[in-house]
Amino acid sequence: AQSVTQPDIHITVSEGASLELRCNYSYGATPYLFWYVQSPGQGLQLLLKYFSGDTLVQGIKGFEAEFKRSQSSFNLRKPSVHWSDAAEYFCAVANSNSGYALNFGKGTSLLVTP
Amino acid sequence: DADVTQTPRNRITKTGKRIMLECSQTKGHDRMYWYRQDPGLGLRLIYYSFDVKDINKGEISDGYSVSRQAQAKFSLSLESAIPNQTALYFCATSDPGTGHQPQHFGDGTRLSIL
Repeated sequence: AQSVTQPDIHITVSEGASLELRCNYSYGATPYLFWYVQSPGQGLQLLLKYFSGDTLVQGIKGFEAEFKRSQSSFNLRKPSVHWSDAAEYFCAVANSNSGYALNFGKGTSLLVTP
Repeated sequence: DADVTQTPRNRITKTGKRIMLECSQTKGHDRMYWYRQDPGLGLRLIYYSFDVKDINKGEISDGYSVSRQAQAKFSLSLESAIPNQTALYFCATSDPGTGHQPQHFGDGTRLSIL
């Protein structure tokens, strides 16, 4: 079954610094990949998705992600982090065996320091 | 108004009680999902539904049941709640089609079972 791994449980960056959150997937064919963000007390908001075409995808809030088949990765990036970006970030893959429900990684908690 | 509404937002109850969590949507989506979020585990699929007559078990369906009363409503029940069902529960919806359709999440129900 399709699955994703987020190797980093916590990441701390300084405001204004660049950010990269890692996500590795496991699937033989081209996966449907997503990044979601969860702010405290909130639901999940879609940042971006990839399913075909250009391997560099742009999302909301200045985020982008690059699909690299050779590395089985779909890392999320942002050039300059703002304090409001502090949140939990989830990478997910659509599972064709369960109605394209999402298989989520365990999440990466982002802390932004002044 | 939110597109995906979950009620209640918070619930504290006792072991052995029957509990129902409700989800309603105004997006007109056919597919609806229930997930459970535990700290450090990400979100895991409990049940999913393609339409009123099509309901399927997910990864962790034991101890849960669901009802799809209408296209817009999908309820999750715990027949006899136990403490390890304490978690944050999310409902999500998506359009039909292949896995590139993103899911739209409610704000969650925080359930505590004493």
